[in-house]
Parts: sequence; C-alpha cells; structure tokens
Amino acid sequence: GAVVSQHPSRVICKSGTSVKIECRSLDFQATTMFWYRQFPKQSLMLMATSNEGSKATYEQGVEKDKFLINHASLTLSTLTVTSAHPEDSSFYICSAPGVTGGGVMGNQPQHFGDGTRLSIL
Amino acid sequence: AQKVTQAQTEISVVEKEDVTLDCVYETRDTTYYLFWYKQPPSGELVFLIRRNSFDEQNEISGRYSWNFQKSTSSFNFTITASQVVDSAVYFCALSEWGGGSNYKLTFGKGTLLTVNP
Repeated sequence: GAVVSQHPSRVICKSGTSVKIECRSLDFQATTMFWYRQFPKQSLMLMATSNEGSKATYEQGVEKDKFLINHASLTLSTLTVTSAHPEDSSFYICSAPGVTGGGVMGNQPQHFGDGTRLSIL
Repeated sequence: AQKVTQAQTEISVVEKEDVTLDCVYETRDTTYYLFWYKQPPSGELVFLIRRNSFDEQNEISGRYSWNFQKSTSSFNFTITASQVVDSAVYFCALSEWGGGSNYKLTFGKGTLLTVNP
C-alpha cells in the first residue's frame, strides 16, 4: 500500500486562487520531504526540500513567496501555490525518503505520492 | 551540465521484443546512488531498483535487468520479452549529497516506452 499520501489528486480552479496540496507520510516519520513539479512530457524537477521545524530550502529559480511550504509535523508537509496562474498548471509530486527519524540516506528510495494535477483556468 | 542523460526520448517496440533503456550520469561524488522509476500514464512513480556506487554487480529481477558500469558512467535497464503493460515513461535518477544531511534526487528526462501488441 501507499506509504506517502498526497491530496488532492486533481484541482481545477480559477486564476488568482491559492491552492494547498498536502503530503503525508503514513506509518513513518519524515523530517524531510521533497516537492517536485512535472510539466507535460517533461522530467520531474525538484522545487524545494521541506524540513520539519525549519524553513524549506528552495531550488534556484523557484519563488519562495509563490510556493509556500510548511512542514509543521513529522508526517505532514504542505505546498501552497499562492495566487495561481495558468502557467502554474502542472503535476506536483511530493516524496519522502524511505528512512525513519532524522537524516536522509541517499541509498533509500524515495516514496512518492501519487501526485496532484493542478489546472488553472 | 546535465547530470542524468537519457538519450532515448521515445522507444516503440512490439510485444515480446527485448528493449534496453540507456542512462548515463555525471557526478563528482565517490558515493552516490542510482535509481530507476517507472511512471505509467496514471502518473504515480513506481520504484524499480536502486544501486550504490560501490556495487557494480548487475541485477536481474524477472524480466528486468540492470547493467551498471562505473567506467562508462552508465546504468542501463533492459526489459526482456516486453509486454503491453510495460508501456510507461521510465526515469533514471541520481542521488547525490546536497548539503547538510540531505541527498538530492536528480532525474533524467525520461524515456517513453510504448509496447505495441
């Protein structure tokens, strides 16, 4: 069964709306989670690293004020796309490393959520 | 510079054919990890295999096999006797230390495999 739950799976909303996407680790704690964006027929691009209890680390070119990340607990990270516009339409995927507790082991496979397909009209 | 290169954008085969998906990576780290993921049309990512930089032993899992060669920085994936259900986008990914206690996963652009009946 799924070890990372992502919700909602699909969102369609008007331009200017803020959209929140949740990523939950099931049955394990994730001090770190990752958020990716995937445009149609393209690869997954890391947007930011979400750190429990501290600020997220954003990749170059990703607007912090546009994509708000909150990691308030060891099992939940949220991504809020603020004042979304059509160009923000994309497939957003979260992941958590396959280890419990603190630290991230590079050899552990990331557990991915099923993704959120965001469409801004 | 692109860290993970999947030169084949699209591959189309007929069922039962063998197919190899290429992956070439670039890293300065001595310790790193390589992965293959499958993304079917529904969008979810399915983990297939991981390999660390110290283990060059090839692996076979059913119809899937992987050939890791450090000398050529390649980690190729072969599907034997392909089936229609194998149709998906396949991503090769590299995990490197990204600072602090974090490892970052960098994906290749993916290869769209279409298996026709």
